[in-house]
Amino acid sequence: SQQGEEDPQALSIQEGENATMNCSYKTSINNLQWYRQNSGRGLVHLILIRSNEREKHSGRLRVTLDTSKKSSSLLITASRAADTASYFCATGRGGGTSYGKLTFGQGTILTVHP
Amino acid sequence: EAGVAQSPRYKIIEKRQSVAFWCNPISGHATLYWYQQILGQGPKLLIQFQNNGVVDDSQLPKDRFSAERLKGVDSTLKIQPAKLEDSAVYLCASSLIGLAGARLEQFFGPGTRLTVL
Repeated sequence: SQQGEEDPQALSIQEGENATMNCSYKTSINNLQWYRQNSGRGLVHLILIRSNEREKHSGRLRVTLDTSKKSSSLLITASRAADTASYFCATGRGGGTSYGKLTFGQGTILTVHP
Repeated sequence: EAGVAQSPRYKIIEKRQSVAFWCNPISGHATLYWYQQILGQGPKLLIQFQNNGVVDDSQLPKDRFSAERLKGVDSTLKIQPAKLEDSAVYLCASSLIGLAGARLEQFFGPGTRLTVL
């Protein structure tokens, strides 16, 4: 079953604008990760945030995590046409046999127009 | 470093036929995952291996799907017999879980697109 729910399902913006995607989840987590998937290809890891962290940056990416609201957001600043892809959040619960296991959301389709 | 390799990239079969997919993870990655991704959805974990042992196969339809990782390196996923609803992309991923200070991110292969007619 899918744990993460992304919002919006689709987002269309102009190059140079910022893109914000949200992810909500239902159970307690150890970490939350964001992945990108270009059409017809495998997923690429973008960033990981642990449950004891509130914000993390990587280049043009900023991720926040609010464990009290069970939600996360991914912000891509100064978007480029090459950022066009599907973006998935994935939650890891950690511990025992669950360690390393990820549960993916449905994804947000981002289109950046040149 | 070389990435996760998968083959074939595309496969078209008729229902009730069998099919097998192959995956070679990144060298040194102890953990290997198989996911099923139906069009428009996120990947769903089918099975997770730690070395050559199964850690989680709770969502694997065991009446038709099987997977093995005999020598703790490459892996095969088999479907027999295939159904129309098995049409999907099958993704293999690997990670360094299991080692001290292991990183939690997964590295994905390009996937195999299966069409069942």
